Amino acid sequence: QKEVEQNSGPLSVPEGAIASLNCTYSDRGSQSFFWYRQYSGKSPELIMFIYSNGDKEDGRFTAQLNKASQYVSLLIRDSQPSDSATYLCAVYNNNDMRFGAGTRLTVKP
Amino acid sequence: KAGVTQTPRYLIKTRGQQVTLSCSPISGHRSVSWYQQTPGQGLQFLFEYFSETQRNKGNFPGRFSGRQFSNSRSEMNVSTLELGDSALYLCASSSNMDYLGEQYFGPGTRLTVT
Repeated sequence: QKEVEQNSGPLSVPEGAIASLNCTYSDRGSQSFFWYRQYSGKSPELIMFIYSNGDKEDGRFTAQLNKASQYVSLLIRDSQPSDSATYLCAVYNNNDMRFGAGTRLTVKP
Repeated sequence: KAGVTQTPRYLIKTRGQQVTLSCSPISGHRSVSWYQQTPGQGLQFLFEYFSETQRNKGNFPGRFSGRQFSNSRSEMNVSTLELGDSALYLCASSSNMDYLGEQYFGPGTRLTVT
């Protein structure tokens, strides 16, 4: 069974802090990794994708991938109340896309 | 560039009926995927179409089917509706031919089965 695991949260951080979201996956052959943000009542919005080991930065967001440990994370720097949402991790391999259950993040002013 | 559009946005059906949902991808995108999202099961992959061909299929019963037209628009059909089919149905499009690329989701169709 190919699993994608996320801590369901809620994860609460103060405004301006770094929020760290984690995701582990079981399929060692996984090729691509995605982070989506989903506001309540809305559809998922792609915010980051990463294919290679290491870090990838885009504005306040940094995705980190460690294939040996089967671990992908998302860091949100200078967290804002508008970042409060559910963050979904998605893992792709060989025509199979799997989503984690999501981590609910709350950023408190 | 316009985003992914889905119609209708909301739908109420009774058990045993069938339903057809529609999705128009981002212009130029040839891959369209369908997902079911429920509070209990999360986001689950239904199937993916590329150039009018179903390339991938998730683990759903045969009551769930789809198709894609030459203009890349896609439809999803659910026959003999069950209460458990109540969910948010999301369509996502991608420009990547080998499906390694990122997907962009539409607003979804909220289906309620009574």
